[in-house]
Order: sequence, then structure tokens, then C-alpha cells
Amino acid sequence: DIQMTQSPSSVSASVGDRVTITCRASQGISSWLAWYQQKPGKAPKLLIDTASSLQSGVPSRFSGSGSGTDFTLTISRLQPEDFATYYCQQTYSFPFTFGPGTKVDIK
Amino acid sequence: EVQLVESGGGLVQPGTSLRLSCAASGFTLTDYAMHWVRQAPGKGLEWVSGISWNSDDIGYADSVKGRFTISRDNAKNSLYLQMDSLRAEDTALYFCARIPYSNDDNNYSYYYGVDVWGQGTTVTVSS
Repeated sequence: DIQMTQSPSSVSASVGDRVTITCRASQGISSWLAWYQQKPGKAPKLLIDTASSLQSGVPSRFSGSGSGTDFTLTISRLQPEDFATYYCQQTYSFPFTFGPGTKVDIK
Repeated sequence: EVQLVESGGGLVQPGTSLRLSCAASGFTLTDYAMHWVRQAPGKGLEWVSGISWNSDDIGYADSVKGRFTISRDNAKNSLYLQMDSLRAEDTALYFCARIPYSNDDNNYSYYYGVDVWGQGTTVTVSS
């Protein structure tokens, strides 16, 4: 099975900051990686799939990059509505494992 | 409106069974793979199981393999999860999830991210 790790596990940031979250797969997954945002009590929301494809309606301050085993999610200028937990997920092969999550909270 | 609505959750004792259902509407079910994802209280997301559009490709997390069975009825626009031999660690909010896919020239399927989620149904396993 492919294991997913994320770093950091949490980050404290201010509105306007640039935030970068890293996701690493235990083996190559090409570009089959998705990023989600989850707020408390809500279902996750898909931000990016295939590592860098921004979903319709998602602000352009979100961007994704990477291929193979190393991936990043960048929020260029953090907005108040961006404080949430972010998860990566590999969709390369079953089981479609998620990373443990990165909580972005207010500094 | 595209919608996924889960049902069937509840409070059950360890060792018993439960069947979750997910009713899909607003889209053609055969155009998508369907998955179950769960989230234990205060924990992260855990992928549980997935099924291709025609049920040919099925996968399970190691934690549920041999105990859970995923199925779908495209004619009824429904997804199911039969959960047997339930354990306390299966306690979670269970989400139904839709995943777009595409096939290459060899008919190998590639899957994208979960673009539609249900609201979840809660399963509590406790004596």
C-alpha cells in the first residue's frame, strides 16, 4: 500500500501570509494526487486534482505542484476563510490513502 | 442539483452488522466511480472502499478488508456498504463520495479527486 505523509502537521499563520504544505508518497504516483480543504463539521472540499489542476470555483491563490513522490500545496495570500485542515490523497492505486492532514490556524 | 445522501448509520454493538446506503441524484451514476470515506471523531480522513462504474474494480482499506463489502446498483442510483463484524474502531462519520475517472487506450482507469461528497452518516459501535 502507498503511505502518504504531510508536513507540517499544523501551521500558525496570519492573513496575507504565504503557506506551503508538503505531501510525500511512499512510492511514485505520477500526478495522481488530490488536495482537499475541510472545515469543522463539514465535508471536505476538493481544491486540486492531478497534482496541479485547480477545481472550478477555487480561488487562484491556491496552487499545487509536484509529481512522483513529492507534492506541495501553496496558499499565496492566506485569507480568513482559508483557516481549515488540508489533506492530500493519492488516487493512483487502491487503497486511495489520505495524508494525516495539516491544520492551518490563526497566529 | 447533484446530491449524495447517506443513510443507515446508527448505534450498534461490537460484532454486529450494518448496511449503509447512498442515494445519488442529479447525475448519471455510471459516469463515476464511487467510494466510501470515514472520519472518526476528532481524527483525519480515512479512505474505506471504492468501486468502479461497472463494479469490475473494487478496493478496500486493510482495516476493513474481509469485513466490509461495497456494491452499487446503477439502475437504482445507489451505492452500498455492508459492514460486518463491526468493531469499536469503526466508529466514525461515513461519507459517500463521487470520483470522476478516465480510461486510457488499454481501458485502464485513472481516478481524479472526490468532487462530490455526501453529508455523512454516523456509525457508532459500542456495547
